[in-house]
Amino acid sequence: EIVLTQSPGTLSLSPGERATLSCRASQSVSNNYLAWYQQKPGQAPRLLIYDASSRATGIPNRFSGSGSGTDFTLTISRLEPEDFAVYFCQQYGSSPPWTFGQGAKVEIK
Amino acid sequence: QVQLMESGGGVVQQGGSLRLSCAASGFSFSTYGMHWVRQAPGKGLEWVAIIRYDGTNIYYTDSVKGRFTISRDNSKNTLYLQMHSLRAEDTALYYCAKDQGWAYYFDLWGQGTQVTVSS
Repeated sequence: EIVLTQSPGTLSLSPGERATLSCRASQSVSNNYLAWYQQKPGQAPRLLIYDASSRATGIPNRFSGSGSGTDFTLTISRLEPEDFAVYFCQQYGSSPPWTFGQGAKVEIK
Repeated sequence: QVQLMESGGGVVQQGGSLRLSCAASGFSFSTYGMHWVRQAPGKGLEWVAIIRYDGTNIYYTDSVKGRFTISRDNSKNTLYLQMHSLRAEDTALYYCAKDQGWAYYFDLWGQGTQVTVSS
C-alpha cells in the first residue's frame, strides 16, 4: 500500500497569496496517477487535478499540479476567498487500495 | 442533472447490519466504475470498495473484507453497500463516487450518508 504524506498540515495565508501544498508518496506512483481534491466544511470532495497536472472540468487556472515519481505539488497561484479549504491528494497508480493523503488545510491568516 | 445521492445511513449497534444505496442520475451509470469512500468524523478520506461498470472486478480495503459487499443494479442506476458485523471504527460519512472509467480517480461524489455504530 502506498502511503501519501501531505505537508504542511496547515497553511495560513492571506487572499491573493500563493499556496504550495506537497504530497509525498512512500513509493513511486505509476504513470504519475495522482489526483488532488478540495473539500469545504459540510461538502463532498471536489476533483481539482488528475494525472498529476491535468485540471478537471471547470477548475480555474489558478490551480495547478506538478511533480512525478514520489513528489507532487498543488499550487494555487493567487488565493481567492473560496479557496480556503482542506486539500487531499490521492494515488491511483497501484492496485487497490487506492490511498489518500491525510489532508492539508489552507486557512485565512 | 449529473448527481449521486446516497441513502440508508443511520445509527446501528455494534455487530449490526446496514445497507447503503446510491442513486445515480444524469450520466450513463452502466459504463462507469463506482466506489464507496468513507470519512470518519474529523478525519481524512478512506477508499472502501470498487465495483466495475459490469459488476465484475470487485475489491475492498482490508478492514472491511468479509463484512461488506458492494453491488450494483444497472437497470436501476443504483449502487449498494451491504455492511455486516459493524464495528465502532466503521462510524463515518460514506460517500459514493464515480471513477473516470479508465482511471481510478473520482470525478463525481455524492453528499454522503452518515453511519454511526454505537456500543
